[in-house]
Amino acid sequence: QLQLQESGPGLVKPSETLSLTCTVSGDSISSSHYYWGWIRQPPGKGLEWIATIYYSGSTYYNPSLKSRVTTSVDTSNNQFSLKLTSVTAADTAIYYCARRGNITMAGYYFDYWGQGTLVTVSS
Amino acid sequence: QSALTQSPSASGSPGQSVTISCTGTSSDVGGYNYVSWYQQHPGKAPKLMIYEVSERPSGVPDRFSGSKSGNTASLTVSGLQAEDEADYYCSSYAGSNNFVFGIGTKVTVL
Repeated sequence: QLQLQESGPGLVKPSETLSLTCTVSGDSISSSHYYWGWIRQPPGKGLEWIATIYYSGSTYYNPSLKSRVTTSVDTSNNQFSLKLTSVTAADTAIYYCARRGNITMAGYYFDYWGQGTLVTVSS
Repeated sequence: QSALTQSPSASGSPGQSVTISCTGTSSDVGGYNYVSWYQQHPGKAPKLMIYEVSERPSGVPDRFSGSKSGNTASLTVSGLQAEDEADYYCSSYAGSNNFVFGIGTKVTVL
């Protein structure tokens, strides 16, 4: 059974960098069939797609966040990561990691999600 | 890319049907048959309910169905049950490996 688990600091100061890691178990992140993604949800609000990454390092970012987002893959530890720079209070949200659907069949959806981790931006 | 538009709330009595709409543009909903729907209970992660407009993942009851016309997609929940009370989000592929989500609809079972 595929499982994803987010980890990282729950509190980040304004102007600093938010860093999160998603650990995948039950499947290899190096599978050629899947992309891996980050989605966030401000408290009481809707979902926002942040980024998607392939095991080879190919990445796609939300245009509204592109200037501040970096993602990476660590295949040896079956993990992928998110960095968001110059954070403000508006970046306070629950951050989810997720698996995109099988790309051999389009797979333009997210079928497995982590439980999410709340990151608060505050001094 | 702007968030997809969803009605804020919908409700129905047990056994009834409720339909939620999701409106986008020709650059997302209208341009691709890649609309998905997610159910989210309070404090929980979203769960995929529908993908590619009308396909159900294994394990999702056939009470859930999806459709699309032009720039608007819809999710219908038939035979409402108490456990269907949740927030529902639509999402669409928006080209160039980009995705956009809806603002969410709260479904209440009366």
